Amino acid sequence: GENVEQHPSTLSVQEGDSAVIKCTYSDSASNYFPWYKQELGKGPQLIIDIRSNVGEKKDQRIAVTLNKTAKHFSLHITETQPEDSAVYFCAASLGPGDYKLSFGAGTTVTVRA
Amino acid sequence: DTAVSQTPKYLVTQMGNDKSIKCEQNLGHDTMYWYKQDSKKFLKIMFSYNNKELIINETVPNRFSPKSPDKAHLNLHINSLELGDSAVYFCASSPPGRGSAYEQYFGPGTRLTVT
Repeated sequence: GENVEQHPSTLSVQEGDSAVIKCTYSDSASNYFPWYKQELGKGPQLIIDIRSNVGEKKDQRIAVTLNKTAKHFSLHITETQPEDSAVYFCAASLGPGDYKLSFGAGTTVTVRA
Repeated sequence: DTAVSQTPKYLVTQMGNDKSIKCEQNLGHDTMYWYKQDSKKFLKIMFSYNNKELIINETVPNRFSPKSPDKAHLNLHINSLELGDSAVYFCASSPPGRGSAYEQYFGPGTRLTVT
């Protein structure tokens, strides 16, 4: 089955700096890659996703890039704010016909004021 | 106006007991899921239902039994609870017509503690 690895496991950044989280996946047939943000005591929240026909997607301060050849994708958060502090998860799925999301182990992001 | 809701939010029980967690979504989605998040925050799919039909059944002990009375509800019943069942259980749903794992929306979670 699909195996998703996520790095780093923890990330501390100064407010205003950028944060980058990287994930790799094992199944070259995967074509859907969402990112989730989980705040303390809450459920994961979908913040951005990308499909394999797109190399990059941006939504305000967050962006995701995908390199299908290398089988890795990354989340970039610019101008970090204290409210960006949370656990971030990447995930992968084969797309149509596959209802399963395989998650990375998560990255705990702390934004220092 | 909650999109995906779960009850109860906290559940503390003793080993050997049977308990249920309920999930409801008002998004009009037709696919629902149960996930388990362990103490290290790792999220793993347990079950998925599409239009009340079981489509994912991961390697989960038979003590766990999902039930979907209709497209808006997916309940999880656990028999003979064990210490290792302690975790946070999340319900999720995804929109119709996708036939995939696209755009899953998660509930707030149920923290189960088995003593």
